[in-house]
Amino acid sequence: GQQLNQSPQSMFIQEGEDVSMNCTSSSIFNTWLWYKQDPGEGPVLLIALYKAGELTSNGRLTAQFGITRKDSFLNISASIPSDVGIYFCAGQNYGGSQGNLIFGKGTKLSVKP
Amino acid sequence: DTEVTQTPKHLVMGMTNKKSLKCEQHMGHRAMYWYKQKAKKPPELMFVYSYEKLSINESVPSRFSPECPNSSLLNLHLHALQPEDSALYLCASSLRDTGQGPGGPLHFGNGTRLTVT
Repeated sequence: GQQLNQSPQSMFIQEGEDVSMNCTSSSIFNTWLWYKQDPGEGPVLLIALYKAGELTSNGRLTAQFGITRKDSFLNISASIPSDVGIYFCAGQNYGGSQGNLIFGKGTKLSVKP
Repeated sequence: DTEVTQTPKHLVMGMTNKKSLKCEQHMGHRAMYWYKQKAKKPPELMFVYSYEKLSINESVPSRFSPECPNSSLLNLHLHALQPEDSALYLCASSLRDTGQGPGGPLHFGNGTRLTVT
């Protein structure tokens, strides 16, 4: 089945720094999604991407749907302590039994004040 | 606040107990999902309901029994669980199942932290 490679696995950064993480796949997706999960809570949708090449922002977050449809990145600018958490990418396809999310393994972000 | 509500937030049960997890959404979504998440791992799909019908069962043991009484509610009935079933159980919903086209992103609840003793 389809698998996603998400990197880096973890990041330790200073408050105010920019962050970049990405996901790659050996096959294409119709949709890329980015979620953030805080301890003890469910994943919260950050950005949804629907078209190859699409670049979308949500506040300090920017994500892009790769032109080949096999990758996506998420950037966080000027990180703050509340950015701490685990970030998951997820790919989604349409049709048949593929119609649900494939998750990356997550990027754990730690921010030093 | 999440628009998918799960109860209870925490549950401790013995291996002979029967309990149920509940999920509710009022966004008009017609696809609902159960996921299981172990610590430091991504969520793993268990079941998908589309228009109140079970459309996907990811080879989940029969000690987990889902139920969708109506378009807003989703239950997960638990019986004779094992300690390795301890995990965070997440409910999610989307506008539609993506089986026939774009279904919209999944929105997750905050989960039920289940401990089996």
